[in-house]
Amino acid sequence: DTGVSQNPRHKITKRGQNVTFRCDPISEHNRLYWYRQTLGQGPEFLTYFQNEAQLEKSRLLSDRFSAERPKGSFSTLEIQRTEQGDSAMYLCASSLMWQGAGETQYFGPGTRLLVL
Amino acid sequence: DQQVKQNSPSLSVQEGRISILNCDYTNSMFDYFLWYKKYPAEGPTFLISISSIKDKNEDGRFTVFLNKSAKHLSLHIVPSQPGDSAVYFCAGSNYKLTFGKGTLLTVNP
Repeated sequence: DTGVSQNPRHKITKRGQNVTFRCDPISEHNRLYWYRQTLGQGPEFLTYFQNEAQLEKSRLLSDRFSAERPKGSFSTLEIQRTEQGDSAMYLCASSLMWQGAGETQYFGPGTRLLVL
Repeated sequence: DQQVKQNSPSLSVQEGRISILNCDYTNSMFDYFLWYKKYPAEGPTFLISISSIKDKNEDGRFTVFLNKSAKHLSLHIVPSQPGDSAVYFCAGSNYKLTFGKGTLLTVNP
């Protein structure tokens, strides 16, 4: 299977702990996106990378959140000092962006975070 | 400010009939629109898309219509099958995706 993969699929943590999620995009996809989805809402944009460069961060992404994509391959999303409000499904998507074509993002299965 | 709206939280149809899911948007900068299907505890699965310069795109049982003047798009599924039961999200794209809240489609046998 060459789709987007995310690990772990589930994470339960105590308030104040740090957590890190990993996303492996579809190979050769140059763009990688992170979204967050809470109950009853659609996914909301957090940040994205083109190759290894982080090009935009949403206002939703507080200073406790940091994302990296070293070497333009996999990406990690770290949340420091977790709060109960961070409980959500964290979704990763990747796409191949080239000039003159529409961009289709393909999503991974998500990481469900529960902060107690 | 909700830039993409799906005003029907749920829709129920009989197997074999047409399902029509609707979506309205306010952001004129979207250059592409996409529909995703989502099952519980899974990530969204891409279904079909349409460029903002088109008014119709068809792929098998799925057709998306875009009315730019009304800032409205719709997804038609014909014929509907029980396996189509899921939450459907409409999204506008200007690189990042802006999603609606979704519509739960139930197809009854």
